[in-house]
Amino acid sequence: GEDVEQSLFLSVREGDSSVINCTYTDSSSTYLYWYKQEPGAGLQLLTYIFSNMDMKQDQRLTVLLNKKDKHLSLRIADTQTGDSAIYFCAERSGGYQKVTFGTGTKLQVIP
Amino acid sequence: EADIYQTPRYLVIGTGKKITLECSQTMGHDKMYWYQQDPGMELHLIHYSYGVNSTEKGDLSSESTVSRIRTEHFPLTLESARPSHTSQYLCASSVLGTSGVGTGELFFGEGSRLTVL
Repeated sequence: GEDVEQSLFLSVREGDSSVINCTYTDSSSTYLYWYKQEPGAGLQLLTYIFSNMDMKQDQRLTVLLNKKDKHLSLRIADTQTGDSAIYFCAERSGGYQKVTFGTGTKLQVIP
Repeated sequence: EADIYQTPRYLVIGTGKKITLECSQTMGHDKMYWYQQDPGMELHLIHYSYGVNSTEKGDLSSESTVSRIRTEHFPLTLESARPSHTSQYLCASSVLGTSGVGTGELFFGEGSRLTVL
């Protein structure tokens, strides 16, 4: 079955860049996503990338996709304390309706 | 802005009680999902529905049941709650088309945190 892995924890200083990494196993993935979960809340879509793209930039966010290595990363430039949250990568594959979430990475931003 | 609502947000109950977690969305989405989230953050799909009168079990076995009598409503019921059911339950919906059209974004509710004593 599909498997999506992330490191559990990342700590960065305010103003630095954060890079959150994700690996997945399903080569038939069509869309890959990054979701953000703030404390006590549900998940919210941050950005997504279609599988035929290598990179997508959206303001402070840059998504890189290495399809050969099945590796996805999210870079947050100029990280702020408000970016402290749990970040989930997710992939959509198979019968289109199935979305598999990663284990989540908790980002802590130190002022 | 997504319009998907869960009630209650927090619930503390005793063992053996029956509980229903409510989930409603006003976006007309066909697809709805229930996820259970561990304290260690990982999300597990426990139920999903592709439309009215359609319900399926997810990847993680759960003693809960769901129903989908109306498009907008997808409640989850535990007939007899136990301490092992203590968790955060997240409801979501999407417009994922069967032809694969659309980004497949999931819209999540704020979650229901259940504690069973």
